[in-house]
Amino acid sequence: NAGVTQTPKFRILKIGQSMTLQCTQDMNHNYMYWYRQDPGMGLKLIYYSVGAGITDKGEVPNGYNVSRSTTEDFPLRLELAAPSQTSVYFCASSGLTGGQETQYFGPGTRLLVL
Amino acid sequence: KNQVEQSPQSLIILEGKNCTLQCNYTVSPFSNLRWYKQDTGRGPVSLTIMTFSENTKSNGRYTATLDADTKQSSLHITASQLSDSASYICVVSEGNQFYFGTGTSLTVIP
Repeated sequence: NAGVTQTPKFRILKIGQSMTLQCTQDMNHNYMYWYRQDPGMGLKLIYYSVGAGITDKGEVPNGYNVSRSTTEDFPLRLELAAPSQTSVYFCASSGLTGGQETQYFGPGTRLLVL
Repeated sequence: KNQVEQSPQSLIILEGKNCTLQCNYTVSPFSNLRWYKQDTGRGPVSLTIMTFSENTKSNGRYTATLDADTKQSSLHITASQLSDSASYICVVSEGNQFYFGTGTSLTVIP
């Protein structure tokens, strides 16, 4: 299994541009998450999904949109990039491992908005 | 409010020494408590997972303890190695809601 994969690894955007961060998992997990991590800070939940067709806002959803058309994919969309969205974005999925809910993270996408 | 607090914020130790990282939480009820290791530029990787009924869990040189009564956990690293330099994150979950601490940055120097 590849686990959780994210693309791109790094991206520079100009203010006002849009982009989609891709996230795919091959573990057949129902739950998927998008987090952002600012320098020296903890992870903050942007959006999460409990299954295909179902998404919900997390702690910091403003400026982002998500969709979940399949179990495997959970893309994150930035419509009008702002400097405040400069961060590292982590996608995660969770499922039962050894009887316990376990969360697996992707390698992250580093985004710089100038 | 559900919170997870970690201490110290950063720590520098000599290679070969032991260290202990602390995690206090207010999440209640909680399903389990995890410790993650996050290398610079990488996603977090799970080290240990404990349910509220478990007191200790080991993974090699990493040993986590949990006191559900006082809502405290610790991560003990034995015989530290240079590769242990990373951020260590405590995460408390309630079902599929995950509450993250801000992490302890550990630097191991030769």
